[in-house]
Amino acid sequence: NAGVTQTPKFRVLKTGQSMTLLCAQDMNHEYMYWYRQDPGMGLRLIHYSVGEGTTAKGEVPDGYNVSRLKKQNFLLGLESAAPSQTSVYFCASSWSSGEQYFGPGTRLTVT
Amino acid sequence: GEDVEQSLFLSVREGDSSVINCTYTDSSSTYLYWYKQEPGAGLQLLTYIFSNMDMKQDQRLTVLLNKKDKHLSLRIADTQTGDSAIYFCADTNRDDKIIFGKGTRLHILP
Repeated sequence: NAGVTQTPKFRVLKTGQSMTLLCAQDMNHEYMYWYRQDPGMGLRLIHYSVGEGTTAKGEVPDGYNVSRLKKQNFLLGLESAAPSQTSVYFCASSWSSGEQYFGPGTRLTVT
Repeated sequence: GEDVEQSLFLSVREGDSSVINCTYTDSSSTYLYWYKQEPGAGLQLLTYIFSNMDMKQDQRLTVLLNKKDKHLSLRIADTQTGDSAIYFCADTNRDDKIIFGKGTRLHILP
């Protein structure tokens, strides 16, 4: 039982490049989330999903897209990376709206 | 909108008690949570309290909830170096979404 995994762990992008972050969970959770964490800003919700095939915007969705084609996977895409998207990205999952289980994070730097 | 506030830093001597405070605005909260984030890792649930409780104790951890003042606190007894981390308070709002505070960085002094 791996819990929540994220790939990659680290990535450096140039401005304008695109990439996809993958989150996978093996707990059969319905809900999945993408957050970004920046110094002094805490966790900010980017997008979330309440079930396979559904997605919804969080607090800071601009510049990101998501897809939940399979229940166990939640993908976060950056179509044209900007330096302002340099951050640590965390994925989380939960049964419903309660306790969330977090992945180890992806550290992204955009130069 | 809903908000969860907590101080950003706390320094405590090893062996003393740490008290981390949090205030929230949503009166419809059902559960309130404390998460711990160690360096380089994701958040892990430390403990939680149901909104109809005043206190919950779990080994060295004591959670106090004052619903009237919308104040939540986490007390860590006999603070150890391994307790050094960022602690996040979190609230569930009327839409059943978890709202996180910005986190309190606990620094342990020798």
